[in-house]
Amino acid sequence: EDKVVQSPLSLVVHEGDTVTLNCSYEVTNFRSLLWYKQEKKAPTFLFMLTSSGIEKKSGRLSSILDKKELFSILNITATQTGDSAIYLCAPNSNSGYALNFGKGTSLLVTP
Amino acid sequence: EAQVTQNPRYLITVTGKKLTVTCSQNMNHEYMSWYRQDPGLGLRQIYYSMNVEVTDKGDVPEGYKVSRKEKRNFPLILESPSPNQTSLYFCASSLDTSGYEQYFGPGTRLTVT
Repeated sequence: EDKVVQSPLSLVVHEGDTVTLNCSYEVTNFRSLLWYKQEKKAPTFLFMLTSSGIEKKSGRLSSILDKKELFSILNITATQTGDSAIYLCAPNSNSGYALNFGKGTSLLVTP
Repeated sequence: EAQVTQNPRYLITVTGKKLTVTCSQNMNHEYMSWYRQDPGLGLRQIYYSMNVEVTDKGDVPEGYKVSRKEKRNFPLILESPSPNQTSLYFCASSLDTSGYEQYFGPGTRLTVT
């Protein structure tokens, strides 16, 4: 059975801090891993990672994948209150068409 | 504008009264999916569809039905809703199943009393 574990489950930081969110996974025939941000509405896409060691960046957010150790991290530098959200990861498999999301990390950035 | 739409956005109903939540996408996507989101349990996939007339169960299909008669539409049907189906429901679509990002609809908050 495929598994996705995100940690920490919740996190409270001050503006300006740097945070690292973790996603470990066990999927058969891994294809890609997706990161999403969910504020008080639908999840919005952040990154798709397919290869180990290649960092994806978008402004203050970056993400990297380790296919050998089966995990991915999402970094947010110089956090802002607008980064407060639930961050979800979802590994994608070649073996089927279901998409399993982790339970998410709830991030709260305080002023 | 490329989007996924869901209707209704909010629904309060009673146990046993059949309901349908519609989902439509205008991006010509092959893959469509339904999720429910509950506190502490995250997003769980209910059903998905790889293309017209091709559907399959996700993690939590019990009590739900779907159909995919047209590429753009993927309705979720609750034949006899029960209170444990009170949840936030999301429809999503993606170009295909090769790992492309999924676009999510705005969500439907369903309460079954």
